[in-house]
Amino acid sequence: GQQVMQIPQYQHVQEGEDFTTYCNSSTTLSNIQWYKQRPGGHPVFLIQLVKSGEVKKQKRLTFQFGEAKKNSSLHITATQTTDVGTYFCAGLSNSGYALNFGKGTSLLVTP
Amino acid sequence: GAVVSQHPSWVICKSGTSVKIECRSLDFQATTMFWYRQFPKQSLMLMATSNEGSKATYEQGVEKDKFLINHASLTLSTLTVTSAHPEDSSFYICSAPPLAGVETQYFGPGTRLLVL
Repeated sequence: GQQVMQIPQYQHVQEGEDFTTYCNSSTTLSNIQWYKQRPGGHPVFLIQLVKSGEVKKQKRLTFQFGEAKKNSSLHITATQTTDVGTYFCAGLSNSGYALNFGKGTSLLVTP
Repeated sequence: GAVVSQHPSWVICKSGTSVKIECRSLDFQATTMFWYRQFPKQSLMLMATSNEGSKATYEQGVEKDKFLINHASLTLSTLTVTSAHPEDSSFYICSAPPLAGVETQYFGPGTRLLVL
């Protein structure tokens, strides 16, 4: 079945530095979603990308969907301590609405 | 936005007992709900798809007789962990897409299960 790979597994940055996490799928994705999970919390939807080559921005967060719709990235500019958490990408499973999650990238930001 | 609740938020039980976890969509109807399991520092793994009015669909490797799912109404799905063992200790999270078929999913706050 579809597998979603995500790197890096962990990232530790100083506040103000940039951060990027990458997601790759073994198959073409109809869309890709990004979620953020704070420590002890549940995943919270951030964004969905649908179109090939799509780029979306949310304040300091920039999301990209590859031209082949097999990879995606999330870039955070000038990280803040509030950005701490694990960022997951997720693609739809073959069965429909269920999501296949990447392993996630845990971001730690120190002041 | 859409809200999904889960109850209980945490539970501690003895080995061999059964535990029921409820997942409710509070302001929308969901013909489909999903149950995930997350072990510490790991990703969410889909366990099963709960379908209102029909049997749940289980992912490969998930025992349907151990993890009983009942989608009683358009706003409620329950997961019962039967004869729980310590290895079943995990974070169980449900999610639901709004009835309109939007692919975005809303997650419940999760239930932390500890089996002693």
